[in-house]
Amino acid sequence: EVQLVESGGGLVQPGGSLRLSCAASGFTFTSHWMSWVRQAPGKGLEWVANIKEDGSERYYVDSVKGRFTISRDNAKKSLYLQMNSLRADDTAIYYCAKDQGGAMVSWGQGTLVTVSS
Amino acid sequence: QSVLTQPPSASGTPGQRVTISCSGSNSNIGKNSVYWYQQLPGTAPKLLIYKNDQRPSGVPDRFSGSKSGNSASLAIRGLRSEDEADYYCAAWDDSLGGRRLFGGGTKLTVL
Repeated sequence: EVQLVESGGGLVQPGGSLRLSCAASGFTFTSHWMSWVRQAPGKGLEWVANIKEDGSERYYVDSVKGRFTISRDNAKKSLYLQMNSLRADDTAIYYCAKDQGGAMVSWGQGTLVTVSS
Repeated sequence: QSVLTQPPSASGTPGQRVTISCSGSNSNIGKNSVYWYQQLPGTAPKLLIYKNDQRPSGVPDRFSGSKSGNSASLAIRGLRSEDEADYYCAAWDDSLGGRRLFGGGTKLTVL
């Protein structure tokens, strides 16, 4: 059974940093692109970033470019999102997702990030 | 405002057929596959339709997807109370360096 478990969310002040983690199990991690998707309170889904199987390609939504970094450790079957210079509008539930054939086929339960003073 | 446009709400009574539209452009829906996700209240999204009209295993055949030109639709027949959820379309966009887009979401209410 595929499992994706996010962690690392919490309350952070504007301008601060946070590192999210996603522990994967139940599938061959090295065979899949992985993504982060976020959802602000009461709002819709927003794709944030994705990363190729070997980490050689990474893409970001414009609003986080230069501030967020997606990475992965295939030996640990883990996905990460380093978030710097956080702003109030980064407040959201952050989901990690397993990609397959262009779709996000499996999702974690999400971790809440709140940016507030 | 999302590049992929969905109606904010839709509704139907049990047993009815409802459709949810998703309108895009040449650079996204016009050139790439459309995906649909269902998000039940308080839960993570779930893939409902991939590559325009394909259903993952376990998704009932009451759900179907279609695409024509720069638009796509999700149809739900035999509406059930447990279908009450938010539905999102998604597509890759070639004009954004291949980044993903989501529609704004449609809240489906079963009356």
